[in-house]
Parts: sequence; C-alpha cells; structure tokens
Amino acid sequence: GAVVSQHPSRVICKSGTSVKIECRSLDFQATTMFWYRQFPKQSLMLMATSNEGSKATYEQGVEKDKFLINHASLTLSTLTVTSAHPEDSSFYICSASGSETQYFGPGTRLLVL
Amino acid sequence: AQTVTQSQPEMSVQEAETVTLSCTYDTSESDYYLFWYKQPPSRQMILVIRQEAYKQQNATENRFSVNFQKAAKSFSLKISDSQLGDAAMYFCAYLGGGADGLTFGKGTHLIIQP
Repeated sequence: GAVVSQHPSRVICKSGTSVKIECRSLDFQATTMFWYRQFPKQSLMLMATSNEGSKATYEQGVEKDKFLINHASLTLSTLTVTSAHPEDSSFYICSASGSETQYFGPGTRLLVL
Repeated sequence: AQTVTQSQPEMSVQEAETVTLSCTYDTSESDYYLFWYKQPPSRQMILVIRQEAYKQQNATENRFSVNFQKAAKSFSLKISDSQLGDAAMYFCAYLGGGADGLTFGKGTHLIIQP
C-alpha cells in the first residue's frame, strides 16, 4: 500500500525559532501533497496544497510567510514554521495524493514554549 | 464551498454489534469522492473506505460498508460485528473534482463496549 512518512514525529522548540517538517511518499510519486493542522479534539483543517515544482497554494487565513512550503521532488514536501510561537503548537499532518485517494503521514506534534 | 457534517459527536456500541455513523455533505459538483477515515489514539489517519460519486453501487470493505445517497447528499458508514480495535475517531471527508485537499467533518468518537 501507499506509505507516507513524516519527520520528526515530535518537536519542542523555543518561541522565535523555526521548525522544518518533512513529508515523504515512500513507494509512490506524488505531484501533489497537502498539509493539515489538527488542534486537540478537533478535525483536520487544510492549510495548503503543495505542488511539485511550483508554488504552494494556501487556504484562506493561513500565512504563507509563516508556513513555508517546498515541494522540490515528487517524493518530498517540507513545511517550515518560521518564528514559531506558542499558538502554533499543534499536530501537523501531511498527505500525498495517489489515484484520488490521500494517504496520510503519521503526523508531527509541535510544541512551542 | 463544500461542507461536511457529522451530527454524532460520539457513538457507543456493544462489541459484535452493528453501528452506523452518519455524514451529510453539501456540494454543487457532480463528480467527487467521499471517504471515511479512522483516527485511533496514535493519531495516524487510516483510510477505511472510499466511494466515487459516479458509482451507484455502495462501497464495501469487509465489515465496513457505506450507504451512499447522492440525491440526499448522505454518506453513512456501517460497521458490522464491531471489534474493540474499531474504537477511534471517524472522519467523513469530501474530495472535489479539482486538485483540492480534503474537507473533513468534525468527526465521531466511536466507543466499543466489551
């Protein structure tokens, strides 16, 4: 089956630092990857769509300068949370699209102190 | 914009019995996909079942089946012979015809009573 990995699984950082999260499709190529955020006891909210070789498209209300997305290859997308603040603490999940089905990574728990 | 509604925040069922989780959605598109994802405490999103809107036949995957009513925009999930491992959050999700991300419902917390 389609496997998506995500790294790191958990990160704790100080306020003001930047954090990079990697999302990889391990056994298939994904021209499109997606980044979601999930707050405790809530559903997943789409943050942005990452397209290989082009700029990401962001959902309304998501700051593109704060959440930098790079999709440099067909198997790797990265999300960088720049100048992270405590309100950015959340669970970040990526997915990779294959055959009109999205396969999810295991998620990254970010805690900003 | 598409919306997905799950009206049951929590459901409880006895082990080995059957439970149905409801989901309705709103869209103006004619071609789309619907999904049920399971999220156990590990928080890994696991695909349970998928339905293409152009297919009239309801999708089934072992103990999981859906009742897809396109005109009513309803997409319920039936879990037969419930097992303890089925306990999780279940999210209904919509995917439109473009290269958009998924739109999720708020989820239903399924509890399995031994």
